[in-house]
Amino acid sequence: DVKVTQSSRYLVKRTGEKVFLECVQDMDHENMFWYRQDPGLGLRLIYFSYDVKMKEKGDIPEGYSVSREKKERFSLILESASTNQTSMYLCASSLSSDSPWPQHFGDGTRLSIL
Amino acid sequence: RKEVEQDPGPFNVPEGATVAFNCTYSNSASQSFFWYRQDCRKEPKLLMSVYSSGNEDGRFTAQLNRASQYISLLIRDSKLSDSATYLCVVKQDYKLSFGAGTTVTVRA
Repeated sequence: DVKVTQSSRYLVKRTGEKVFLECVQDMDHENMFWYRQDPGLGLRLIYFSYDVKMKEKGDIPEGYSVSREKKERFSLILESASTNQTSMYLCASSLSSDSPWPQHFGDGTRLSIL
Repeated sequence: RKEVEQDPGPFNVPEGATVAFNCTYSNSASQSFFWYRQDCRKEPKLLMSVYSSGNEDGRFTAQLNRASQYISLLIRDSKLSDSATYLCVVKQDYKLSFGAGTTVTVRA
């Protein structure tokens, strides 16, 4: 069974801090994604990566960056956290673009910026 | 305009009832369609893919209408365990677009 692990379930940070959210998958998936989920808005794609060291902007990349140095790990970075980045962050992975594309999600990180 | 729109509900139904709801999508070039289920404070999990001819998975039936650009999900003989938020998901190329979800609550 696919396992996508996010480093923290709950995180509280202060405005202006640099925040790292880590995600690891154990199924050798090529694609990895970072979303945020807010009430009434659904999941919105922040960034995704289809290979090591490759990254693509999603719908809302502003204020975020990502890093994928190893295939199994995809990190989301908030360069200077702001209160409007308080949200639930979900990491996901999938096998490849050619697959039927079920995405497997991690448990989520509920991030609060004070 | 949102790419995927869903009635947020909630749909409150008794056990054993049938409940159905739709979602509409705006991009006619969308290629694949899915329903995900999300329990409170949990991650989304794939419920089923949606095929052009319609498909069933046990008590769940999904339909796709490309001409009108909507997808439906029907749940028969509802169980308490069906209480969840159901996310409509549409794929084009690499990108998945998620609806905000329809909440279903099944009561005893």
